[in-house]
Amino acid sequence: AQSVTQPDIHITVSEGASLELRCNYSYGATPYLFWYVQSPGQGLQLLLKYFSGDTLVQGIKGFEAEFKRSQSSFNLRKPSVHWSDAAEYFCAVAPGNAGNMLTFGGGTRLMVKP
Amino acid sequence: EPEVTQTPSHQVTQMGQEVILRCVPISNHLYFYWYRQILGQKVEFLVSFYNNEISEKSEIFDDQFSVERPDGSNFTLKIRSTKLEDSAMYFCASSEIAGEQFFGPGTRLTVL
Repeated sequence: AQSVTQPDIHITVSEGASLELRCNYSYGATPYLFWYVQSPGQGLQLLLKYFSGDTLVQGIKGFEAEFKRSQSSFNLRKPSVHWSDAAEYFCAVAPGNAGNMLTFGGGTRLMVKP
Repeated sequence: EPEVTQTPSHQVTQMGQEVILRCVPISNHLYFYWYRQILGQKVEFLVSFYNNEISEKSEIFDDQFSVERPDGSNFTLKIRSTKLEDSAMYFCASSEIAGEQFFGPGTRLTVL
């Protein structure tokens, strides 16, 4: 069965600082990989996805993520965090088939200090 | 930009009552999903639906749960006899085909 681990439950960074949120997955083959963001009281918004090809993917809001097969990781990065980035971030995986279930990590809550 | 919508935004019910949560997926999408998130916990998959039938379901999705696409636009989740532990945020999602799912804003279900 697939699983996703986000080792950091909470992260606090200063506005303007760089950010890296960690995600490790367990799956027999290369899955589809996703990062979603959830602001308080809101639904889940897709930040970026990896299906195949270039292992560095760009997303919305200045986020990027790098797939590293050897480490089974898909870490999310942003060079300069803005106060509006404060939210909960979820990494998710799906089998490489159409229409299959997403398995989510436990989430990382990001707080941004002024 | 098309989006997934869900109604109601908040539903309060008594234990043992039936509830129906409604979702309108994005119109050209073919796959439909329900997930739930108990407060403070991770988002969990419940069920996926394609071509008018369940394609996959989790252990959570027992006989108390059912899904239906009653017409060309709505996708519903029914809980027949709610329990306290069904209190959660329920998210509907839809996708065209391969993996990229778009989520609705969620329905917060509170069972008293």
